[in-house]
Amino acid sequence: DVKVTQSSRYLVKRTGEKVFLECVQDMDHENMFWYRQDPGLGLRLIYFSYDVKMKEKGDIPEGYSVSREKKERFSLILESASTNQTSMYLCASSPEDREYEQYFGPGTRLTVT
Amino acid sequence: GEDVEQSLFLSVREGDSSVINCTYTDSSSTYLYWYKQEPGAGLQLLTYIFSNMDMKQDQRLTVLLNKKDKHLSLRIADTQTGDSAIYFCAESGGVTGGGNKLTFGTGTQLKVEL
Repeated sequence: DVKVTQSSRYLVKRTGEKVFLECVQDMDHENMFWYRQDPGLGLRLIYFSYDVKMKEKGDIPEGYSVSREKKERFSLILESASTNQTSMYLCASSPEDREYEQYFGPGTRLTVT
Repeated sequence: GEDVEQSLFLSVREGDSSVINCTYTDSSSTYLYWYKQEPGAGLQLLTYIFSNMDMKQDQRLTVLLNKKDKHLSLRIADTQTGDSAIYFCAESGGVTGGGNKLTFGTGTQLKVEL
């Protein structure tokens, strides 16, 4: 079974803090994604990566950056957390030959106070 | 840009059929998907359909695609309490070599009542 794990299920941070969200997948997938999920808005793509050290902006990249130093790990960074970044963050991965099959982690609920 | 719309809530009685509807705007969509999110969990891919198909059936699930009207539906036969979840419709424009971005709808909360 594909497994996508995220470092925390719940996280509480203060405004202005630097926040790291980690995602690890164990199926050697080339593609990895970060989404945020907000009620009434569905999932919105923040960043994605299709190879180590490669990254592409999604629909809402402002206020975020990412890092992919190893194939299995994709990190989302909030340089200076703000209250409007309070959300559920979901990581996903997919294989290169079946890019349409995205597998999701359980999510990290981040609260910025 | 692409847009995917769904109604927010659906309530059905156990044993009835559920039909969750979705409309999308991107006529170049190649794949359309249904994901399920149970409480406290990530999204799970339920099924997908290629744009050159009209229908796909998988056990209790039937997906219907009307490409002319850009309308996708998911029918769940004999709905059970375990089917209570949020269902997301999503579309993508085909394999681009760049990760195949998905555009998700807002999700439909399905509540199954006894």
